[in-house]
Amino acid sequence: QKEVEQNSGPLSVPEGAIASLNCTYSDRGSQSFFWYRQYSGKSPELIMFIYSNGDKEDGRFTAQLNKASQYVSLLIRDSQPSDSATYLCAVLNTGTASKLTFGTGTRLQVTL
Amino acid sequence: DVKVTQSSRYLVKRTGEKVFLECVQDMDHENMFWYRQDPGLGLRLIYFSYDVKMKEKGDIPEGYSVSREKKERFSLILESASTNQTSMYLCASSTPGTVAYEQYFGPGTRLTVT
Repeated sequence: QKEVEQNSGPLSVPEGAIASLNCTYSDRGSQSFFWYRQYSGKSPELIMFIYSNGDKEDGRFTAQLNKASQYVSLLIRDSQPSDSATYLCAVLNTGTASKLTFGTGTRLQVTL
Repeated sequence: DVKVTQSSRYLVKRTGEKVFLECVQDMDHENMFWYRQDPGLGLRLIYFSYDVKMKEKGDIPEGYSVSREKKERFSLILESASTNQTSMYLCASSTPGTVAYEQYFGPGTRLTVT
Protein backbone atom coordinates (compact mmCIF):
# COMPACT_ATOMS: atom_id res chain seq x y z
CA GLN A 1 0.00 0.00 0.00
CA LYS A 2 1.47 3.30 -1.08
CA GLU A 3 1.00 5.81 1.68
CA VAL A 4 1.04 9.52 2.15
CA GLU A 5 1.12 10.76 5.72
CA GLN A 6 0.30 14.13 7.21
CA ASN A 7 -0.25 15.40 10.70
CA SER A 8 -3.97 16.07 11.02
CA GLY A 9 -3.52 19.17 13.18
CA PRO A 10 -5.00 21.58 13.79
CA LEU A 11 -1.93 23.67 13.20
CA SER A 12 -2.54 27.08 14.70
CA VAL A 13 -0.43 30.07 13.64
CA PRO A 14 -0.91 33.79 14.26
CA GLU A 15 -1.68 36.10 11.39
CA GLY A 16 1.50 37.18 9.61
CA ALA A 17 3.53 34.14 10.70
CA ILE A 18 4.91 31.34 8.56
CA ALA A 19 2.87 28.14 8.46
CA SER A 20 4.80 24.95 7.76
CA LEU A 21 2.90 21.89 6.58
CA ASN A 22 4.64 18.55 6.18
CA CYS A 23 4.05 15.35 4.28
CA THR A 24 5.92 12.06 3.95
CA TYR A 25 5.37 9.37 1.33
CA SER A 26 6.34 5.74 1.04
CA ASP A 27 6.78 5.15 -2.71
CA ARG A 28 10.34 6.01 -3.72
CA GLY A 29 9.29 6.00 -7.37
CA SER A 30 6.83 8.85 -6.91
CA GLN A 31 7.15 11.44 -9.63
CA SER A 32 5.19 14.51 -8.71
CA PHE A 33 3.80 16.04 -5.58
CA PHE A 34 0.82 18.28 -5.14
CA TRP A 35 -0.70 20.50 -2.50
CA TYR A 36 -4.44 20.97 -2.56
CA ARG A 37 -6.37 23.37 -0.34
CA GLN A 38 -9.85 22.49 0.84
CA TYR A 39 -12.07 24.99 2.61
CA SER A 40 -14.72 23.61 4.91
CA GLY A 41 -17.67 22.33 2.87
CA LYS A 42 -15.86 22.85 -0.43
CA SER A 43 -13.95 20.62 -2.80
CA PRO A 44 -10.14 20.52 -3.08
CA GLU A 45 -8.32 22.95 -5.35
CA LEU A 46 -4.73 22.70 -6.50
CA ILE A 47 -2.40 25.38 -5.17
CA MET A 48 1.04 24.03 -6.05
CA PHE A 49 2.91 21.12 -7.55
CA ILE A 50 6.60 20.18 -7.44
CA TYR A 51 8.60 17.43 -9.11
CA SER A 52 12.26 18.42 -8.67
CA ASN A 53 14.26 18.39 -5.47
CA GLY A 54 14.53 21.78 -3.84
CA ASP A 55 12.19 24.71 -3.47
CA LYS A 56 9.49 26.10 -5.69
CA GLU A 57 7.96 29.47 -4.90
CA ASP A 58 4.62 30.91 -5.98
CA GLY A 59 3.68 34.14 -4.23
CA ARG A 60 3.35 33.48 -0.51
CA PHE A 61 3.60 29.72 -1.03
CA THR A 62 6.79 27.65 -1.20
CA ALA A 63 6.84 23.92 -1.81
CA GLN A 64 9.92 21.99 -0.76
CA LEU A 65 10.82 18.50 -1.94
CA ASN A 66 13.47 16.13 -0.63
CA LYS A 67 13.23 12.83 -2.51
CA ALA A 68 16.06 11.22 -0.55
CA SER A 69 14.09 11.72 2.67
CA GLN A 70 10.72 11.16 0.94
CA TYR A 71 9.48 14.41 2.35
CA VAL A 72 7.54 17.31 0.89
CA SER A 73 6.45 20.46 2.66
CA LEU A 74 4.45 23.60 2.07
CA LEU A 75 5.39 26.92 3.61
CA ILE A 76 2.87 29.74 3.71
CA ARG A 77 4.44 33.12 4.44
CA ASP A 78 2.54 36.04 5.95
CA SER A 79 -0.34 33.73 6.85
CA GLN A 80 -3.81 35.24 6.54
CA PRO A 81 -7.11 34.19 8.12
CA SER A 82 -8.24 33.29 4.58
CA ASP A 83 -5.53 30.60 4.55
CA SER A 84 -7.46 28.70 7.24
CA ALA A 85 -8.34 25.45 5.51
CA THR A 86 -7.31 21.82 5.26
CA TYR A 87 -4.24 21.21 3.12
CA LEU A 88 -4.02 17.89 1.31
CA CYS A 89 -0.76 16.45 0.11
CA ALA A 90 -1.04 14.22 -2.96
CA VAL A 91 1.48 12.05 -4.76
CA LEU A 92 1.50 10.85 -8.35
CA ASN A 93 2.84 7.33 -8.17
CA THR A 94 4.70 5.39 -10.80
CA GLY A 95 2.72 3.12 -13.07
CA THR A 96 -0.67 4.15 -11.75
CA ALA A 97 -2.24 5.64 -14.85
CA SER A 98 -2.59 9.12 -13.42
CA LYS A 99 -3.88 8.14 -10.01
CA LEU A 100 -3.11 10.35 -7.07
CA THR A 101 -2.69 9.10 -3.53
CA PHE A 102 -3.87 11.68 -1.00
CA GLY A 103 -2.86 12.22 2.58
CA THR A 104 -5.58 12.78 5.16
CA GLY A 105 -4.83 16.50 5.30
CA THR A 106 -3.62 19.02 7.84
CA ARG A 107 -6.07 21.56 9.18
CA LEU A 108 -4.54 25.03 9.41
CA GLN A 109 -6.00 27.75 11.61
CA VAL A 110 -4.68 31.28 11.24
CA THR A 111 -5.58 33.33 14.30
CA LEU A 112 -6.01 37.09 14.53
CA ASP B 1 -12.50 27.41 -16.74
CA VAL B 2 -12.77 23.71 -16.15
CA LYS B 3 -16.13 22.80 -14.80
CA VAL B 4 -17.01 19.55 -13.12
CA THR B 5 -20.60 19.29 -11.99
CA GLN B 6 -22.35 16.73 -9.84
CA SER B 7 -26.05 16.01 -10.00
CA SER B 8 -26.88 16.69 -6.35
CA ARG B 9 -25.26 18.51 -3.44
CA TYR B 10 -27.26 16.63 -0.84
CA LEU B 11 -28.99 13.28 -1.09
CA VAL B 12 -30.85 11.18 1.46
CA LYS B 13 -31.59 7.54 0.63
CA ARG B 14 -32.87 4.53 2.47
CA THR B 15 -30.92 1.32 3.12
CA GLY B 16 -31.21 -1.06 0.20
CA GLU B 17 -32.04 1.57 -2.40
CA LYS B 18 -30.11 1.78 -5.66
CA VAL B 19 -28.39 5.15 -5.84
CA PHE B 20 -26.98 6.95 -8.88
CA LEU B 21 -24.50 9.79 -8.57
CA GLU B 22 -23.79 11.64 -11.79
CA CYS B 23 -20.74 13.66 -12.76
CA VAL B 24 -20.23 15.73 -15.90
CA GLN B 25 -17.10 17.58 -17.04
CA ASP B 26 -16.87 20.06 -19.89
CA MET B 27 -13.12 20.01 -20.68
CA ASP B 28 -12.87 16.87 -22.80
CA HIS B 29 -10.77 15.16 -20.12
CA GLU B 30 -9.88 11.52 -20.63
CA ASN B 31 -9.65 10.63 -16.95
CA MET B 32 -12.47 10.73 -14.45
CA PHE B 33 -12.48 9.66 -10.82
CA TRP B 34 -14.84 8.97 -7.96
CA TYR B 35 -13.65 9.49 -4.38
CA ARG B 36 -15.30 9.39 -1.02
CA GLN B 37 -14.13 11.61 1.79
CA ASP B 38 -14.63 10.77 5.45
CA PRO B 39 -13.27 12.53 8.55
CA GLY B 40 -9.89 11.14 9.51
CA LEU B 41 -9.68 8.95 6.41
CA GLY B 42 -9.10 11.55 3.76
CA LEU B 43 -9.88 11.09 0.08
CA ARG B 44 -10.15 7.48 -0.97
CA LEU B 45 -10.42 6.41 -4.58
CA ILE B 46 -13.43 4.25 -5.41
CA TYR B 47 -13.15 3.88 -9.19
CA PHE B 48 -11.60 5.69 -12.07
CA SER B 49 -11.95 5.69 -15.83
CA TYR B 50 -9.30 6.59 -18.40
CA ASP B 51 -11.53 6.32 -21.46
CA VAL B 52 -15.11 5.75 -22.50
CA LYS B 53 -16.31 2.34 -21.34
CA MET B 54 -12.99 1.77 -19.54
CA LYS B 55 -12.83 1.56 -15.77
CA GLU B 56 -10.49 0.44 -13.06
CA LYS B 57 -11.07 -0.28 -9.41
CA GLY B 58 -9.59 2.08 -6.91
CA ASP B 59 -8.80 1.36 -3.30
CA ILE B 60 -12.34 0.81 -2.02
CA PRO B 61 -14.58 -0.45 -4.86
CA GLU B 62 -16.70 -2.85 -2.79
CA GLY B 63 -20.38 -2.00 -2.92
CA TYR B 64 -19.97 0.37 -5.87
CA SER B 65 -20.02 0.18 -9.65
CA VAL B 66 -19.50 2.80 -12.34
CA SER B 67 -20.58 3.60 -15.84
CA ARG B 68 -18.95 5.74 -18.51
CA GLU B 69 -20.94 5.68 -21.72
CA LYS B 70 -19.84 9.14 -22.87
CA LYS B 71 -16.54 10.90 -22.39
CA GLU B 72 -18.01 13.77 -20.39
CA ARG B 73 -20.12 11.71 -17.99
CA PHE B 74 -19.09 9.31 -15.24
CA SER B 75 -21.68 7.73 -12.98
CA LEU B 76 -21.23 6.08 -9.61
CA ILE B 77 -23.79 3.45 -8.65
CA LEU B 78 -24.51 2.12 -5.20
CA GLU B 79 -26.28 -1.14 -5.98
CA SER B 80 -27.83 -1.48 -2.53
CA ALA B 81 -27.09 1.46 -0.30
CA SER B 82 -25.94 0.78 3.24
CA THR B 83 -25.45 3.11 6.19
CA ASN B 84 -21.67 2.75 5.97
CA GLN B 85 -21.85 4.42 2.56
CA THR B 86 -22.94 7.67 4.17
CA SER B 87 -20.18 10.03 3.08
CA MET B 88 -19.13 12.95 0.91
CA TYR B 89 -18.63 11.81 -2.68
CA LEU B 90 -16.32 13.79 -4.92
CA CYS B 91 -15.90 13.45 -8.65
CA ALA B 92 -12.76 14.66 -10.43
CA SER B 93 -11.43 14.82 -13.96
CA SER B 94 -8.01 15.30 -15.56
CA THR B 95 -5.93 14.85 -18.68
CA PRO B 96 -3.44 11.94 -18.61
CA GLY B 97 -0.68 12.35 -16.06
CA THR B 98 2.36 14.56 -16.48
CA VAL B 99 4.53 16.19 -13.89
CA ALA B 100 2.18 19.16 -13.96
CA TYR B 101 -0.84 16.94 -13.58
CA GLU B 102 -3.95 18.38 -11.97
CA GLN B 103 -7.27 16.87 -11.02
CA TYR B 104 -10.29 19.16 -11.06
CA PHE B 105 -12.96 18.40 -8.52
CA GLY B 106 -16.69 18.80 -8.58
CA PRO B 107 -18.56 20.39 -5.65
CA GLY B 108 -19.33 17.05 -4.01
CA THR B 109 -22.47 15.14 -3.06
CA ARG B 110 -23.17 14.58 0.60
CA LEU B 111 -25.02 11.28 0.75
CA THR B 112 -26.86 10.13 3.84
CA VAL B 113 -28.17 6.58 3.96
CA THR B 114 -30.75 5.97 6.68
